[in-house]
Amino acid sequence: DSGVTQTPKHLITATGQRVTLRCSPRSGDLSVYWYQQSLDQGLQFLIQYYNGEERAKGNILERFSAQQFPDLHSELNLSSLELGDSALYFCASSVEDRAYGYTFGSGTRLTVV
Amino acid sequence: GNSVTQMEGPVTLSEEAFLTINCTYTATGYPSLFWYVQYPGEGLQLLLKATKADDKGSNKGFEATYRKETTSFHLEKGSVQVSDSAVYFCALSATGANNLFFGTGTRLTVIP
Repeated sequence: DSGVTQTPKHLITATGQRVTLRCSPRSGDLSVYWYQQSLDQGLQFLIQYYNGEERAKGNILERFSAQQFPDLHSELNLSSLELGDSALYFCASSVEDRAYGYTFGSGTRLTVV
Repeated sequence: GNSVTQMEGPVTLSEEAFLTINCTYTATGYPSLFWYVQYPGEGLQLLLKATKADDKGSNKGFEATYRKETTSFHLEKGSVQVSDSAVYFCALSATGANNLFFGTGTRLTVIP
């Protein structure tokens, strides 16, 4: 157990729907990062939050959004889902506001049918 | 820009064989370099890291040396085991960047 908790582990939904993925960072970590892992794109950075504030954005689609709450857990919202959004979504956390020695969660596998 | 180029897989080795997975990078400034491992059905785990030129990261028999002159961070292990079967990712953290840049991953299968 890495200490980073992601729920749910698996999600199957239809095109056009909206889903929310949840991440609880490791105790004491203030930064949360979201990544998408797909077969054709590899690991793509989506977005980072540090202590409730958005700090960096990567290849995140406009249909996707995220937030980090006062208790430091984070949610990734995916809307108007398309077949191509099927992927593994990973959350990672770190103490600092920089990418050094992340701890990853075990991921949420999203299947859009 | 920042990028990582990783050896194409998959790689299949017999137990106790020598492993090398090549990784080269392009980065601005002075990046930190990492190897992550992903076992089936799990998230990525940090395997080893190096923060400056000529540093050698090591863990669980794996090693990688940060070579600035060749912009490389190749992963090596002298004698692989079946339990090393996994996907290995090279990654970099660039100066001033908030995220890691990952290579495409190399799948290693070790057969008894």
